[in-house]
Amino acid sequence: DAGVTQSPTHLIKTRGQQVTLRCSPISGHKSVSWYQQVLGQGPQFIFQYYEKEERGRGNFPDRFSARQFPNYSSELNVNALLLGDSALYLCASSFGGSLTYSNQPQHFGDGTRLSIL
Amino acid sequence: GIQVEQSPPDLILQEGANSTLRCNFSDSVNNLQWFHQNPWGQLINLFYIPSGTKQNGRLSATTVATERYSLLYISSSQTTDSGVYFCASKRLGSARQLTFGSGTQLTVLP
Repeated sequence: DAGVTQSPTHLIKTRGQQVTLRCSPISGHKSVSWYQQVLGQGPQFIFQYYEKEERGRGNFPDRFSARQFPNYSSELNVNALLLGDSALYLCASSFGGSLTYSNQPQHFGDGTRLSIL
Repeated sequence: GIQVEQSPPDLILQEGANSTLRCNFSDSVNNLQWFHQNPWGQLINLFYIPSGTKQNGRLSATTVATERYSLLYISSSQTTDSGVYFCASKRLGSARQLTFGSGTQLTVLP
């Protein structure tokens, strides 16, 4: 079975531009989470989506938004890009997003490496 | 939120040596995972271990939930074990995010 797939793998943008990153979860997984990993640090939580609804948001500005589609894939959008948005963006999927399934492991994609010039 | 601390921050080993990585967490958890991030940035699941002990080849992990720590053991290390090892946990009662530690950078020398 395919794992979590993310596209594109690399992206170069300039300050002020907008970017859309895409994620397809493991088949059967209904929850998608997004993380940002800057160089030298651990991943930081941005969003969780479950059943097409936002279920959690980390400490990120409103320039960051996301959505989940009926097939459970997801997009992360970042507007008005800043130099500090340069990072590896990771998508993770898990079976459920409710408290009942909160103990399920998360599986990560290979990430999108975003560079802002 | 939950705090996750890893030690040591850096570790250099000769090939064939054994090592122990530690993860302390500040609250009760219902999810604890160990990951290996390779030099290409891929985050690879090693263990899902909110409690107890598991082994997978040369790697094993133990989580003592009541004392809020987890250990990752690497035996007979190989150069391909190099990379960053992350511990991540999810606070009991929270269905939202994994909180990651700052990682242990492991370098295995030939």
